[in-house]
Amino acid sequence: EAQVTQNPRYLITVTGKKLTVTCSQNMNHEYMSWYRQDPGLGLRQIYYSMNVEVTDKGDVPEGYKVSRKEKRNFPLILESPSPNQTSLYFCASLGLGTTGELFFGEGSRLTVL
Amino acid sequence: DQQVKQNSPSLSVQEGRISILNCDYTNSMFDYFLWYKKYPAEGPTFLISISSIKDKNEDGRFTVFLNKSAKHLSLHIVPSQPGDSAVYFCAASVYGGATNKLIFGTGTLLAVQP
Repeated sequence: EAQVTQNPRYLITVTGKKLTVTCSQNMNHEYMSWYRQDPGLGLRQIYYSMNVEVTDKGDVPEGYKVSRKEKRNFPLILESPSPNQTSLYFCASLGLGTTGELFFGEGSRLTVL
Repeated sequence: DQQVKQNSPSLSVQEGRISILNCDYTNSMFDYFLWYKKYPAEGPTFLISISSIKDKNEDGRFTVFLNKSAKHLSLHIVPSQPGDSAVYFCAASVYGGATNKLIFGTGTLLAVQP
């Protein structure tokens, strides 16, 4: 089954404690992206990757890092989380050359106290 | 600057009637538009799309209309069913753009009453 898998689905942490949200896709997609969803703001892109070892900032990259060492994985790293990073995070992937229908993971709800 | 706007945060419709969800955009470079549907505790899923060379695209009960001169698109659901209750996001992009970047609206919560 084609899917994008995120972990953890739910996490409560404290300010400054480094965390990583993993994302893996099994569709051999070149393109992967992270979004955050906040009330009244919709989905905003954090970082994206066009392929292995190619990453770039989206609209709200501050406080986040990513890496793309393998095609299937695109982890989101919060080196020093702050309360304003409390949000619902979605990973998504897309096969290049297609018409733009992103496949999304089920989301990771992060609370930073 | 919100390039894609959904001005109605919520919409309530009776089962069997038409649901009309609206979306406006400001960037005239956008030439590909999509609608996504999101249930609670799930990720968004693709629903329907339209290219700027068309003004209408239909898929079963779902039809998307595009008015380029007004920079406006709408999603029509006919007839509406309780299972359609979800948050609907519209999104826009420059087709084939270097970054495959989708710009999303803020979403409209549709409630279909039985």
